[in-house]
Amino acid sequence: SYVLTQPPSVSVAPGQTARITCGGNNIGSKSVHWYQQKPGQAPVLVVYDDSDRPSGIPERFSGSNSGNTATLTISRVEAGDEADYYCQVWDSSSDLPYVFGTGTKVTVL
Amino acid sequence: EVQLVESGGGLVQPGGSLRLSCAASGFTFSSYWMSWVRQAPGKGLEWVANIKQDGSEKYYVDSVKGRFTISRDNAKNSLYLQMNSLRAEDTAVYYCARSGFYPRSPFDYWGQGTLVTVSS
Repeated sequence: SYVLTQPPSVSVAPGQTARITCGGNNIGSKSVHWYQQKPGQAPVLVVYDDSDRPSGIPERFSGSNSGNTATLTISRVEAGDEADYYCQVWDSSSDLPYVFGTGTKVTVL
Repeated sequence: EVQLVESGGGLVQPGGSLRLSCAASGFTFSSYWMSWVRQAPGKGLEWVANIKQDGSEKYYVDSVKGRFTISRDNAKNSLYLQMNSLRAEDTAVYYCARSGFYPRSPFDYWGQGTLVTVSS
């Protein structure tokens, strides 16, 4: 099945930019979705189809996808952005159609 | 307002059974693919199963095939997961999640989750 690899952790100072990568074989040919999960809470969709934002998600959250890497970028990081972030793709040709990345813990210093 | 409320979790012995329910409101339930996604304690997210709008197509992760059955009742706006022959490795928080009109759609709304613990 398809594998998505994320760095276990990313640390960033308030006001700076956090970049979370999601690596996968030719991931640029797939649509990537990103979820934010705070402790004890359900995941929340923050970016879908590589770079679109659901209603209510701040413009500070943006995404890109090319080649073998997709990236979630959080600009002007705030304390409230501290959470786990997961990428996800749909792989119609796989026996496991929905694949999540390994997850990245974002710590705001 | 879209709401998904899971219920039915609890403590069960290995080999036992449990039925999870998810009550949906705030949207036209019958128009959406629906999924179950689980998260073992301290671990990442894992998709478990999904079902088409009319229930005619169902898909499962290999580890639960033959043991879990997903179903839905559009008249009751409800999603279900029948879990049989439970194993310790099935211990997790189980989330009900809405997809879209197509299976490739993202999971745009999630319930709060229900904890299933498989232990003797």
